[in-house]
Amino acid sequence: KAGVTQTPRYLIKTRGQQVTLSCSPISGHRSVSWYQQTPGQGLQFLFEYFSETQRNKGNFPGRFSGRQFSNSRSEMNVSTLELGDSALYLCASSDRDSHSYEQYFGPGTRLTVT
Amino acid sequence: AQSVTQLGSHVSVSEGALVLLRCNYSSSVPPYLFWYVQYPNQGLQLLLKYTSAATLVKGINGFEAEFKKSETSFHLTKPSAHMSDAAEYFCAVTYSGGTSYGKLTFGQGTILTVHP
Repeated sequence: KAGVTQTPRYLIKTRGQQVTLSCSPISGHRSVSWYQQTPGQGLQFLFEYFSETQRNKGNFPGRFSGRQFSNSRSEMNVSTLELGDSALYLCASSDRDSHSYEQYFGPGTRLTVT
Repeated sequence: AQSVTQLGSHVSVSEGALVLLRCNYSSSVPPYLFWYVQYPNQGLQLLLKYTSAATLVKGINGFEAEFKKSETSFHLTKPSAHMSDAAEYFCAVTYSGGTSYGKLTFGQGTILTVHP
């Protein structure tokens, strides 16, 4: 099976702009989770989507949002970008239907906000 | 709240030496535990998982970990380090139940350096 894919791999945006990141899960996986990775805060959970519904949410401001489509692909949006949003954004997929808890990660999108 | 502590942000070993990376978790319910490895500019790769079956878990690339409930630990070991093992390693925890599914809580990571 193909792994988790994320696009784009690299992004440079200006403060105040918005950005949309995309994630395609492993075929058959209907759960997609998003994480932010920074040198200072480490890996932090953003949210999880399953069956087009947000099921779990981390402690991030409302500027961070997401959605999931019927084919399980997911997008994450960050509005009104701040310098502190510069990070590696990782998505992961898992097989929630079989109660499998391990997550498989994509290569990430490196977002730089200037 | 669930949490994970990785003791030692940097570990340095010689090629061929034992690798030991430490992970302790806090939990009031049975956890699911994972070790991931991250190479520079890449995502996370799953090394191994503990999901309440055998307490000694074998993973990829010769790594293994032992779940010790009494010590709330899940340390990662490899008998003989290889240069290609140099990377950052993350311990992660989650729990069964709808509110926890899909959310992994990670430790701060341990950078492993392997010297020739």
